[in-house]
Amino acid sequence: LAKTTQPISMDSYEGQEVNITCSHNNIATNDYITWYQQFPSQGPRFIIQGYKTKVTNEVASLFIPADRKSSTLSLPRVSLSDTAVYYCLVGDQAGTALIFGKGTTLSVSS
Amino acid sequence: GAGVSQSPSNKVTEKGKDVELRCDPISGHTALYWYRQSLGQGLEFLIYFQGNSAPDKSGLPSDRFSAERTGGSVSTLTIQRTQQEDSAVYLCASSLDLYPYEQYFGPGTRLTVT
Repeated sequence: LAKTTQPISMDSYEGQEVNITCSHNNIATNDYITWYQQFPSQGPRFIIQGYKTKVTNEVASLFIPADRKSSTLSLPRVSLSDTAVYYCLVGDQAGTALIFGKGTTLSVSS
Repeated sequence: GAGVSQSPSNKVTEKGKDVELRCDPISGHTALYWYRQSLGQGLEFLIYFQGNSAPDKSGLPSDRFSAERTGGSVSTLTIQRTQQEDSAVYLCASSLDLYPYEQYFGPGTRLTVT
């Protein structure tokens, strides 16, 4: 079971780029890395998923180094509405990938 | 299309009563998950279904908790003899298939045990 470690909280200002790093030293060969976002009083929402190198979509980028022991979620030019909790998940099948932990609380100020 | 729906949205019950929480997944999604989130805490995984089958029930907090899924669709989480520590938001999610497929979450049921 690949355990993940993320910072408890981060602060940023509008317009800045935010990078949240997740450590997963025991990641297995078949494991994927997935990030979710959760706003207060809502269920989590999928942001991005990757296996290796770099993945980019319309809201974020995910950087995964060659050893895959960590990953970095990059949010370009954050706004106040990006204030949320961000969760990193690692695994390859139901049960092992479903540990959300406490995530990283990102606070964006003006 | 319609997302994951849960009912009721809020439930207040007295300690010792039984409660049933319902989840309607997205049509065609074979996998369904239940989580619990206490105030200010992360998500606690409870159980998942592949079709109507729940291969691993070890995440359920106690034997007062049970879940079933019928017709590969609707799922019910039942809590018997509720306790105050059961108070939390119960979230349901569904996905096209098991992880790593994207999970779509419902709005949750807020359970308060008095």
